[in-house]
This record gives sequence, C-alpha cells and structure tokens, in this order.
Amino acid sequence: EVQLVESGGGLVKPGGSLRLSCAASGFIFNDAWMSWIRQAPGKGLEWVGRIKSNTDGGTTDYPAPVKGRFTISRDDSRNTLYLQMNRLETEDTALYYCTTDSKSPPWRYFDSWGQGTLVTVSS
Amino acid sequence: QSVLTQPPSASGTPGQRITISCSGSSSNVGSNTVNWYQQFPGTAPKLLIYNNNQRPSGVPDRFTGSKSGSSASLAIGGLSPEDEADYYCAAWDDILNGRLFGGGTQLTVL
Repeated sequence: EVQLVESGGGLVKPGGSLRLSCAASGFIFNDAWMSWIRQAPGKGLEWVGRIKSNTDGGTTDYPAPVKGRFTISRDDSRNTLYLQMNRLETEDTALYYCTTDSKSPPWRYFDSWGQGTLVTVSS
Repeated sequence: QSVLTQPPSASGTPGQRITISCSGSSSNVGSNTVNWYQQFPGTAPKLLIYNNNQRPSGVPDRFTGSKSGSSASLAIGGLSPEDEADYYCAAWDDILNGRLFGGGTQLTVL
C-alpha cells in the first residue's frame, strides 16, 4: 500500500524559510516522479512543482508563483521527498500535499496523496 | 483565475445525471490528457478519472470522463448524496511547462 507522510509544516514569518518532508513507502520511490500540491484555506488546488526520478535526470519544474523561491529535492536512500521554501509570503499559507506523479502514459498522475502538512505564513 | 475553467458550482437531485465542464486551450486540454479528482471536506483529493476517461479500480462506473478538443467533461450518473464533494480537473500545459488545475466545482445533491 502506497503511503505518503508529510511533515515540517508550521508557523513562519514573512520572508522566512521552511523545509517540508514527505516519507514515502509502498512503491519503488527511486523510480517515481513526485509532485507537491498546495491548497490555501477555502481555495482550490495548486501545483507547486515536481521532480523527476534520478534515472530520468532528476530535474525539476515549478510554476511561476514559486519559481526561484521553492526547491524540490529527493533522497532516494531515505525514500524521502523535500520542499525547501524560501522568502515565504503570506500567499504561501496553505496545506501542502506530497503526491505521486507520472512519467509516461496513461498519465496517472497525482494517484496517491499524503494527508498534508499546514504552512502558515504570518507576522 | 485558473487557466482551466470550471463552473464554481453544480447541483442535481438523487438519481439525476449531471456534467461538469473543464475548458482549456490548445496548449493544455487540447494537447494533453485530463485527469479528474474528487475531494471531500477535510480530506486529501482522490484520483477519479485519468487519461481522459479511465477509472482507477474502485471508482464506480457512474463516473465517466470525456474530452473533445480543448474541453473535457466529467459526468456523474445516478447521483447520490455521497457524491457531494469538490471536483477538479487537471492537465499539463505545454507553454507554462507545468501541471494545471481547474478552479474546482462544488457539487450539491439536493
């Protein structure tokens, strides 16, 4: 059974930093592409970025709102995904989910989700 | 405002069939597959439809997905009060080089 467990959320001041972790189990993590998705309180889902497997280059993609501030990385030896968030803004307040992504058809991306970890950016 | 456009709300009565639309453009829905997600309050989203019209095991065949051009639809037949949830479409965008979500549709079963 696939399990994704996020941690590291909390209260941080604007301009601060935070690192989220996602412990993965139940699948071959080092072969998986992974994404982070967030959901602001009472709002919709927003893709935050993804990382390919190291065998596929380990490269990352980010949407404009977080590019240059957020960095996704992975430690395949620990089956763990990370999201380093710098220069945080109040608009980054959200529940952050770790999800599985898809590298090939039939594009079954975001198939498994963690329970989320809450990040609150406030002074 | 989301690049993928969904109606903010939809409603129906038990037993009815409803559809939720997801309108995009040639760089996303028009050239890439669409997935749909179901989210109940306080819980993580769940994959409902992938690859435009495929259902993961365990998803009832009352849920069907379709795509035509730059628009996609999720149809729910035989509506049940248990279907009350938020529904999101998603697709890759070739210009933005990223995954997009629609704004979400809140379904009410009257």
